[in-house]
Amino acid sequence: KAGVTQTPRYLIKTRGQQVTLSCSPISGHRSVSWYQQTPGQGLQFLFEYFSETQRNKGNFPGRFSGRQFSNSRSEMNVSTLELGDSALYLCASSASGTGGDFYNEQFFGPGTRLTVL
Amino acid sequence: ILNVEQSPQSLHVQEGDSTNFTCSFPSSNFYALHWYRWETAKSPEALFVMTLNGDEKKKGRISATLNTKEGYSYLYIKGSQPEDSATYLCAPYSGYSTLTFGKGTMLLVSP
Repeated sequence: KAGVTQTPRYLIKTRGQQVTLSCSPISGHRSVSWYQQTPGQGLQFLFEYFSETQRNKGNFPGRFSGRQFSNSRSEMNVSTLELGDSALYLCASSASGTGGDFYNEQFFGPGTRLTVL
Repeated sequence: ILNVEQSPQSLHVQEGDSTNFTCSFPSSNFYALHWYRWETAKSPEALFVMTLNGDEKKKGRISATLNTKEGYSYLYIKGSQPEDSATYLCAPYSGYSTLTFGKGTMLLVSP
């Protein structure tokens, strides 16, 4: 099975711009979660989508949004970028909710490194 | 938001040393505890999923134990090798929300 893929891998933006990141889950996985990783902060949960619905949300401002399509691919959007948004953004897919996994094991993509100048 | 504590924050050992780290989590609403290994420039990879109090899992030189009553898990590495250098993350799962990751323990093994 192909793993989780994320595009683009690297991105440089300037303050005030917006950005869209894409994530394609493992085939058959319907849950997609997004995480932000900054130095010293570990993996911070952004949100989780399941069957095109946001199922869980972390403690991030409304500038961070996402969506999921009928094929389970997900996008994450950050509007009005700030310097502090520079981070590695990871997405992970899970078979949770499909009967294929009871413990929500996450399979991670390679991440998108976002730099805001 | 669950309070997940991992210690130590970082560790530097010599090849052949054995080491262990701790993950502390709320014991209420416990369903499972995940351990992940995150090597530099790679994606986090699952090591273990632990569910039962007293559970012990092993994969090669790496093993983990779980105490759900007091809310902690230990990860042990026997005879550390340079390829074990990575950040080790734990994440409890309460069964109805999402995984909450600790900040991790960064392990560096020198030859």
